[in-house]
Amino acid sequence: ELKVEQNPLFLSMQEGKNYTIYCNYSTTSDRLYWYRQDPGKSLESLFVLLSNGAVKQEGRLMASLDTKARLSTLHITAAVHDLSATYFCAVDTYNTDKLIFGTGTRLQVFP
Amino acid sequence: KAGVTQTPRYLIKTRGQQVTLSCSPISGHRSVSWYQQTPGQGLQFLFEYFSETQRNKGNFPGRFSGRQFSNSRSEMNVSTLELGDSALYLCASSASSGTGVRSLYGYTFGSGTRLTVV
Repeated sequence: ELKVEQNPLFLSMQEGKNYTIYCNYSTTSDRLYWYRQDPGKSLESLFVLLSNGAVKQEGRLMASLDTKARLSTLHITAAVHDLSATYFCAVDTYNTDKLIFGTGTRLQVFP
Repeated sequence: KAGVTQTPRYLIKTRGQQVTLSCSPISGHRSVSWYQQTPGQGLQFLFEYFSETQRNKGNFPGRFSGRQFSNSRSEMNVSTLELGDSALYLCASSASSGTGVRSLYGYTFGSGTRLTVV
């Protein structure tokens, strides 16, 4: 059974600092997704990582995928308060449209 | 272009009742999937439909069912509601093809339906 683990579960960081969220998954998958969720809201797509070695950046967020290690990272550079949210990684498997989500990382950025 | 539309946004139901939730995907998308989000269990896959056929099903009891119409709109139904069914129900659409080729753009989620069972 495909499992997805994220760490840390909670992250409280000061504005201006850098940090990385890790996402590990248990079986072969060639693509990985990152989503953001604000309290009481739906999921907003951040990145779609389609292949091994994929790296994507948007603003202060950068995501990468290593399919051999079954690991994705979401790196936050110089955090700002607006990045406070819960971040989920998810994977799907070949020939399915079924996402398996990680537990989520609740990020809080304080001044 | 219009996004994924879910209705209603909020629902309050009594134990034992049934409920139907609706999801209209992005125009041209034929794949619709449903997820349940609770604080205890996180985000869990319910089922996925493509061209009116259920292709995948998650590990939920038979009280949870769904269907998809010829215009790709989808509904999910929960019968004999239990308190534990209180959750945010999300649907997602994707441009995946019928031959197993997944969309390069991933999945777009609707705003969700917040169901409260009392």
